[in-house]
Amino acid sequence: KAGVTQTPRYLIKTRGQQVTLSCSPISGHRSVSWYQQTPGQGLQFLFEYFSETQRNKGNFPGRFSGRQFSNSRSEMNVSTLELGDSALYLCASSFQQGNEQFFGPGTRLTVL
Amino acid sequence: KNEVEQSPQNLTAQEGEFITINCSYSVGISALHWLQQHPGGGIVSLFMLSSGKKKHGRLIATINIQEKHSSLHITASHPRDSAVYICAVSDVYSGGGADGLTFGKGTHLIIQP
Repeated sequence: KAGVTQTPRYLIKTRGQQVTLSCSPISGHRSVSWYQQTPGQGLQFLFEYFSETQRNKGNFPGRFSGRQFSNSRSEMNVSTLELGDSALYLCASSFQQGNEQFFGPGTRLTVL
Repeated sequence: KNEVEQSPQNLTAQEGEFITINCSYSVGISALHWLQQHPGGGIVSLFMLSSGKKKHGRLIATINIQEKHSSLHITASHPRDSAVYICAVSDVYSGGGADGLTFGKGTHLIIQP
């Protein structure tokens, strides 16, 4: 069974731009969570989607948004990028809410 | 909001040693996760537990719900165990919703040959 995939793996943007990251969960998994990892703050929860609905959201500004499609694939969008948005963005999928999560390889975003 | 503390932050040991990493949290949880992260970023879920003890190969995870404490043990450690080990908890939300993880800062483990 294929694992969680994320695209792109690396991305360089400039301040003020917007970016869309994609996550394809393990086949059959309906829950997708997104996390941000930075050297200063460590890993932080962004949001979780289940059956196309956002179920939980972390403490991030409204510039961070996401969605989930009917095939469970998910995207997250960051608008008006700031230097501090440079991070590793990880998504994780699980069969349903509360189950063990399986992580993707991450997308490393650099904002210049 | 849960606070997750891990200790030690850094640990260097010799191959073959028994390793213990500790994790404590501040409020009730639905589950605790132990994760492993290698250089390059990939994260692997090692254990998810809500009570008792789990074992997988040379890895053992225990949790004490009353004391809000968990430990990850590695027996017969090997250089390939060198990684960052992260403790994370799933909070219990009212209404039964799940569970964005709250993470500890990780333990950077180096096993020397």
